[in-house]
Amino acid sequence: DAGVTQSPTHLIKTRGQHVTLRCSPISGHKSVSWYQQVLGQGPQFIFQYYEKEERGRGNFPDRFSARQFPNYSSELNVNALLLGDSALYLCASSFGSLQETQYFGPGTRLLVL
Amino acid sequence: AQSVTQLGSHVSVSEGALVLLRCNYSSSVPPYLFWYVQYPNQGLQLLLKYTTGATLVKGINGFEAEFKKSETSFHLTKPSAHMSDAAEYFCAVSEGRGSTLGRLYFGRGTQLTVWP
Repeated sequence: DAGVTQSPTHLIKTRGQHVTLRCSPISGHKSVSWYQQVLGQGPQFIFQYYEKEERGRGNFPDRFSARQFPNYSSELNVNALLLGDSALYLCASSFGSLQETQYFGPGTRLLVL
Repeated sequence: AQSVTQLGSHVSVSEGALVLLRCNYSSSVPPYLFWYVQYPNQGLQLLLKYTTGATLVKGINGFEAEFKKSETSFHLTKPSAHMSDAAEYFCAVSEGRGSTLGRLYFGRGTQLTVWP
């Protein structure tokens, strides 16, 4: 079975631009979470969606937004990119309740110039 | 507030030696605890997890960890290191209830180097 997939794998943007990152969860998984991993640090929680509703938001500015679609795939959007947004963006999915084990995708590496 | 401290950003061992990666956490409610491994240019792979029950947890690739509530620790061990264990290891905590249910809070990671 396919694991969590993310696209694109790499992305280069310039300051002020907008970016959309995509995630497809493991088949049957209903919860998707997004994390930001800056170089040299552990991942930081951005959003969690369960059954297409936002169930949690981390300490990130309103420039960050997300949504989950009826097929449980998800998009993370970041507006007005800053240099500090350069990071690996990880998507994780879990089967049912919010406390189920999260399985991570390979990530999207975003570089903002 | 939840937080995770991983002592030692870099650990080096010889092949065949004991691996010990340290993790301490703080949580206002009974925690769920996890160890993830990250190989270069890859996402995170779950090694093992503790939710409830037996405090000694066995994971994949010969790793195990013990939940010690009194010490608020969840150290990761492997009796004999292999070259393929070289990677970055992350300890994470999640709360089993409350408004932050399901969120993972990660430590800064420990880079494990294995020498031949």
